[in-house]
Amino acid sequence: EDKVVQSPLSLVVHEGDTVTLNCSYEVTNFRSLLWYKQEKKAPTFLFMLTSSGIEKKSGRLSSILDKKELSSILNITATQTGDSAIYLCAVDDTDKLIFGTGTRLQVFP
Amino acid sequence: DGGITQSPKYLFRKEGQNVTLSCEQNLNHDAMYWYRQDPGQGLRLIYYSQIVNDFQKGDIAEGYSVSREKKESFPLTVTSAQKNPTAFYLCASSIRRNQPQHFGDGTRLSIL
Repeated sequence: EDKVVQSPLSLVVHEGDTVTLNCSYEVTNFRSLLWYKQEKKAPTFLFMLTSSGIEKKSGRLSSILDKKELSSILNITATQTGDSAIYLCAVDDTDKLIFGTGTRLQVFP
Repeated sequence: DGGITQSPKYLFRKEGQNVTLSCEQNLNHDAMYWYRQDPGQGLRLIYYSQIVNDFQKGDIAEGYSVSREKKESFPLTVTSAQKNPTAFYLCASSIRRNQPQHFGDGTRLSIL
């Protein structure tokens, strides 16, 4: 059965810390891996990663896919309270997205 | 502004009642999706549609039904056969399959 596993489930840090969120997958027909940020309602799209292995960056956030290890990491440097959210990882298996349970990040001042 | 509009934001269902959740997009996207989110669980796919007048079951379609008569609209009906409907329902769309999905603000459904 296809699955996507995220770790840790929950993370509490102070402003300025750097965090690394993990996502591993076992999906038969892998096409791409996506990261989303969910604050209160709608998940918002962050990155889409493919087998090319190219790192994606946006400000203090960056992410890379390790196709050999079947995993991805999402890094957030110099965290801010506005980074507090649930971070969702999803794998596109050519038909649909398979989501992990998410990592809840809380950033305290 | 372009986007995805879900309504209502909150909905209460009585026993034995069918309810319909609305999802409208003005992004001119071909593909639309319905997900259910429960506490401590990831998003689970209920139904998806890649083109007008066509849709497929997702992983948890039992007790739900959809229609896709117009490109911009993908309503979800939660039928009385769905015994545990209390959840947060998210609608999404993408320009076509295999492209990033964009989400609406969700509908929270509860049982009276």
